[in-house]
Amino acid sequence: DTGVSQNPRHKITKRGQNVTFRCDPISEHNRLYWYRQTLGQGPEFLTYFQNEAQLEKSRLLSDRFSAERPKGSFSTLEIQRTEQGDSAMYLCASSSSIPTDTQYFGPGTRLTVL
Amino acid sequence: GENVEQHPSTLSVQEGDSAVIKCTYSDSASNYFPWYKQELGKRPQLIIDIRSNVGEKKDQRIAVTLNKTAKHFSLHITETQPEDSAVYFCADFTGANNLFFGTGTRLTVIP
Repeated sequence: DTGVSQNPRHKITKRGQNVTFRCDPISEHNRLYWYRQTLGQGPEFLTYFQNEAQLEKSRLLSDRFSAERPKGSFSTLEIQRTEQGDSAMYLCASSSSIPTDTQYFGPGTRLTVL
Repeated sequence: GENVEQHPSTLSVQEGDSAVIKCTYSDSASNYFPWYKQELGKRPQLIIDIRSNVGEKKDQRIAVTLNKTAKHFSLHITETQPEDSAVYFCADFTGANNLFFGTGTRLTVIP
């Protein structure tokens, strides 16, 4: 499968625990985006990488959230001290270096915080 | 930019009829407008997009129109089929390097 992949697909955790999600973009894509989607809403931008550089972060992204893309390929999103309000679908997307090129989405990781 | 309004939030049409979904944006720097279809429990998938140097684009039963002066763009689906039933999201892209999505339209095509 040459599309964007994400793991795990589902994660249930207790409030206060840390969680980490992984995104593997399409191999030739050097832009990688993280979005969060709650029920009935469109995806909301969280952060994006150009290669290994994190170039932009949304003000939605609290300091409990951190994202990395150490080698410019896969990326991880970590949430520390999870809260119930963090429950959502976390979507990853990738695109080529052209800013307005198509963003292809992964299947998402659904996080449930109990 | 950061304010994309999408209407209607729900839309029901008879099979074979047309469906139109409209979005407005606020940032005059927006230059790229994709439309995504999301079926229940699945990832958003691009169905059509338009760039700011074009007023209309068509792909089989799907078309998108863009009015830069009025800052709105619309998705048109003709000859709707039950498999068109899904949530549709518009988005715009500015120099901020990310997409801002509308709140979605749940389209139901009644057989």
